[in-house]
Amino acid sequence: NAGVTQTPKFRVLKTGQSMTLLCAQDMNHEYMYWYRQDPGMGLRLIHYSVGEGTTAKGEVPDGYNVSRLKKQNFLLGLESAAPSQTSVYFCASRTPTNEKLFFGSGTQLSVL
Amino acid sequence: GNSVTQMEGPVTLSEEAFLTINCTYTATGYPSLFWYVQYPGEGLQLLLKATKADDKGSNKGFEATYRKETTSFHLEKGSVQVSDSAVYFCALSPTGRGADGLTFGKGTHLIIQP
Repeated sequence: NAGVTQTPKFRVLKTGQSMTLLCAQDMNHEYMYWYRQDPGMGLRLIHYSVGEGTTAKGEVPDGYNVSRLKKQNFLLGLESAAPSQTSVYFCASRTPTNEKLFFGSGTQLSVL
Repeated sequence: GNSVTQMEGPVTLSEEAFLTINCTYTATGYPSLFWYVQYPGEGLQLLLKATKADDKGSNKGFEATYRKETTSFHLEKGSVQVSDSAVYFCALSPTGRGADGLTFGKGTHLIIQP
């Protein structure tokens, strides 16, 4: 009963490096989301997807790219990491008919 | 645009105290309203929700009533426990916006002392 799984759980990058965060869900959910959580800011939506092969921008998309090649996976990429991208990243998913979001346990990213 | 405002805290209470965490929102139409809880080191979990005016959501002793006239969705619990220590997020889902993600408040850190 895995639900939403995020890898890695922790990562430290140097400015300018690239990386990909993986989100996998086993609930056959159509909709998937990437949020970032910062102190005093709550959660802000980066990108989301309503199905395989589709993506859309959220509130804070700059500096990130995403891909949804398979229904169960949603990848978040940082092409050239910046210290401002130091944050905790959460993936979430849901069905079209139920607004309840299921969250992963998060990835803590530090960019030095 | 849509927004959610909640007290940030930290809110520190003694065990068995009464809890209120205020939440107000700005949105067009009739949004759905949620409270999510985040325990240390974990992702957010849905605590309760309400989808229309005057609905009351409840779970694990927590309650919140959707008040359209005051655009509020305050979270209450009659007797808190140490295990309730967590960060609580109020959120809304806009009316008829399909797949758009939830709009979250900044979160309220609740600390319950034995």
